[in-house]
Amino acid sequence: GENVEQHPSTLSVQEGDSAVIKCTYSDSASNYFPWYKQELGKGPQLIIDIRSNVGEKKDQRIAVTLNKTAKHFSLHITETQPEDSAVYFCAALSGGSYIPTFGRGTSLIVHP
Amino acid sequence: DTGVSQNPRHKITKRGQNVTFRCDPISEHNRLYWYRQTLGQGPEFLTYFQNEAQLEKSRLLSDRFSAERPKGSFSTLEIQRTEQGDSAMYLCASSPGTQGGETQYFGPGTRLLVL
Repeated sequence: GENVEQHPSTLSVQEGDSAVIKCTYSDSASNYFPWYKQELGKGPQLIIDIRSNVGEKKDQRIAVTLNKTAKHFSLHITETQPEDSAVYFCAALSGGSYIPTFGRGTSLIVHP
Repeated sequence: DTGVSQNPRHKITKRGQNVTFRCDPISEHNRLYWYRQTLGQGPEFLTYFQNEAQLEKSRLLSDRFSAERPKGSFSTLEIQRTEQGDSAMYLCASSPGTQGGETQYFGPGTRLLVL
């Protein structure tokens, strides 16, 4: 089955800095990669996703890049703000499956 | 609000008791998923439905767990004879289920504490 590794487990940055979270996956058939943000006491909320036919996608301060050859994808947050502080999860979904495999999460702390 | 809703949000029970959680998916989403999440971990898949049919169950889903989606709308997850190890956040998600509609939208979760 699919295996998703996520790093780092904790990331501490100053407000205004950039943050990068990286994930690797094992199943070359995976073709959909969502990123979720989870605030304390809440369910995960989709923030951006990318499909395997695209190398990069951007939405304001958030971008995701995908390297299919190396089987890794990354979340980039620019100009971080304290409200970006949360746990971020990556996931990978293999073609033909409806069950994503999640990474273990990255706790992002943005210091004012 | 047209998002996924879950009730109750919190449940405290004594070991050995039965508990039932409810999930109302986004209207017209035909796929519904249940996950369990413990501290420091990502969501772990338990089971999913397409309409009223339960199509897949994880090995995590012991025979004390049962889920239903009788009319293809809301779903319930029941845990019988709860154990302390069942303490976790139980998340529900739904997705359109159409071609390209695999994005899952999560509810706020039900946090269970078994004493």
